[in-house]
Amino acid sequence: QSVLTQPPSVSAAPGQKVTISCSGSSSNIGNNYVSWYQQFPGTAPKLLIYDNERRPSGIPDRFSGSKSGTSATLGITGLQTGDEADYYCGTWDSSLSAVVFGGGTKLTVL
Amino acid sequence: EVQLLESGGGLVQPGGSLRLSCAASGFTFRSYAMSWVRQAPGKGLEWVSADGSTTYYADSVKGRFTISRDNSKYTLYLQMSGLRAEDTAVYYCAKADAYSPATGIFDYWGQGILVTVSS
Repeated sequence: QSVLTQPPSVSAAPGQKVTISCSGSSSNIGNNYVSWYQQFPGTAPKLLIYDNERRPSGIPDRFSGSKSGTSATLGITGLQTGDEADYYCGTWDSSLSAVVFGGGTKLTVL
Repeated sequence: EVQLLESGGGLVQPGGSLRLSCAASGFTFRSYAMSWVRQAPGKGLEWVSADGSTTYYADSVKGRFTISRDNSKYTLYLQMSGLRAEDTAVYYCAKADAYSPATGIFDYWGQGILVTVSS
């Protein structure tokens, strides 16, 4: 089991909005910043969101992040078929002294 | 342009050893923490180890894997020993956004290298 909990899959139609949740505890999400990664099959992960809500240069504003308490959320608006990928949340866990990831969420754009 | 290039993967027997390398370029290597993250076939991401202001290991590899770096060669290493079938994975080298590994922010990743532990 992963320390952070994500839904295994989400789906939505092109043009719609989807959210992916990431649930943790006070030792990780509750007291540390959350990052989100996008991974296409056979390729390396790519940083999408860091510090809960900030986007690296080049990431479109269709992607957003938020955090409340011990949970974080990734939002994607204006869904495109090219957004079909696996999405992972990650953060530091102060009790484990380790980086922890969620189990990943597969996004399907129907 | 930041580039990370892993090497040293391959097939190894259970109980064996292997050393991975990650050649970095395009940034001041000594100023940033570096991590190894692995992904077993069909599974999610698993952080393995980090080196920066402090060195950290996942419990699953503690005592078996050793992370190190040569700042003069811009290279990160992962010495793996006592390998088990469950260590089979693609291993990624990842650059942190700061010298402290305790952020969980990996802004650049290598392409990954496959390690297969099997007899």
